[in-house]
Amino acid sequence: QKEVEQNSGPLSVPEGAIASLNCTYSDRGSQSFFWYRQYSGKSPELIMFIYSNGDKEDGRFTAQLNKASQYVSLLIRDSQPSDSATYLCAVFFSGGYQKVTFGTGTKLQVIP
Amino acid sequence: SQTIHQWPATLVQPVGSPLSLECTVEGTSNPNLYWYRQAAGRGLQLLFYSVGIGQISSEVPQNLSASRPQDRQFILSSKKLLLSDSGFYLCAWKWQAGYGYTFGSGTRLTVV
Repeated sequence: QKEVEQNSGPLSVPEGAIASLNCTYSDRGSQSFFWYRQYSGKSPELIMFIYSNGDKEDGRFTAQLNKASQYVSLLIRDSQPSDSATYLCAVFFSGGYQKVTFGTGTKLQVIP
Repeated sequence: SQTIHQWPATLVQPVGSPLSLECTVEGTSNPNLYWYRQAAGRGLQLLFYSVGIGQISSEVPQNLSASRPQDRQFILSSKKLLLSDSGFYLCAWKWQAGYGYTFGSGTRLTVV
């Protein structure tokens, strides 16, 4: 059973702080990693993807991947109340028939 | 550009009634299509995926079925709904191997 694990939260951070969201996965051969943002009652929206070890930055978002530790994270700098949402980690597992497995998500609350 | 349409947005159905949810994709051909369900407070559960017309793979045996009558159309059905079928149903497509999914806006189904 290939798994993606996330802390459900909620993770509360003050406005302007850095929010750090973490995810671990079970399959060492996994190839692609994604972060989705889901506002309450809405569908998930892809915000970041990363394929190689290291950091990938896009605006206030940075995705970090460590394949040796089977760990992927998302940093949100200068957190805003509008960042309050559930963040889903997703992994494209090797050998999977073009399927992505999702974690259960971490709820982020940015306090004004 | 590619877009994905899903309807209806909300649905309230009595136990034992049939179900038909439709999803269509525009601006692409031969997409991989997926049906997910998200129960209240839970993660995304893959129900069905399709790599082409008439090709359906079921992930979880249950009270639902899927069909793909046309290249860009994916339908989720049930002959008799159960209370446990309530949830947020999401259609998604993926345009290239290894890339993340794009989700439709979802259908919130309540079985009463």
